[in-house]
Amino acid sequence: DAGVIQSPRHEVTEMGQEVTLRCKPISGHNSLFWYRQTMMRGLELLIYFNNNVPIDDSGMPEDRFSAKMPNASFSTLKIQPSEPRDSAVYFCASSLQPGETQYFGPGTRLLVL
Amino acid sequence: SQQGEEDPQALSIQEGENATMNCSYKTSINNLQWYRQNSGRGLVHLILIRSNEREKHSGRLRVTLDTSKKSSSLLITASRAADTASYFCATDGSNYKLTFGKGTLLTVNP
Repeated sequence: DAGVIQSPRHEVTEMGQEVTLRCKPISGHNSLFWYRQTMMRGLELLIYFNNNVPIDDSGMPEDRFSAKMPNASFSTLKIQPSEPRDSAVYFCASSLQPGETQYFGPGTRLLVL
Repeated sequence: SQQGEEDPQALSIQEGENATMNCSYKTSINNLQWYRQNSGRGLVHLILIRSNEREKHSGRLRVTLDTSKKSSSLLITASRAADTASYFCATDGSNYKLTFGKGTLLTVNP
């Protein structure tokens, strides 16, 4: 059974470019979470969806970040324009319901030059 | 702000020894979870303990929860080199948001 799938696994881009990260949650899971991990700030929740609806986006750093979940099997996190301080590993996770065990994808390692 | 704080930040032991990591948090929780992260990989869920539970076991893992002290501990018995990883506690408070600590880096020397 496939786990959470993220793409791309690695992304190198130049400052000012648009970056789109993708996530496919585990089938049947109703909640999806986007996290960012850096050495300085650790693991931070950016946004989470329940039944495709954004529930809490208080962790989204600024207007340059946006996330969508058009259907139960796909979500995107977009950064436009990207900046060097956005360099981090971005994780997607899903769970059956909010508050239940979260299953993490392998992450996307983003480097903005 | 971080809800869970792990202690110690780093722990180095010999294979076969037990490893104990602690987690303290500030506000009331629904449950507390422990995760492991190998270098360069995603997080792997280890165990979930609910606020009305005091102890839980899973294989070589034992987790305790003391809600009066707002603390939890993760014990790994008979450690192996493959247990080398970062271990995070995550608390689930209101709104079902998980808040992670900075983690404990465990090194098990063969």
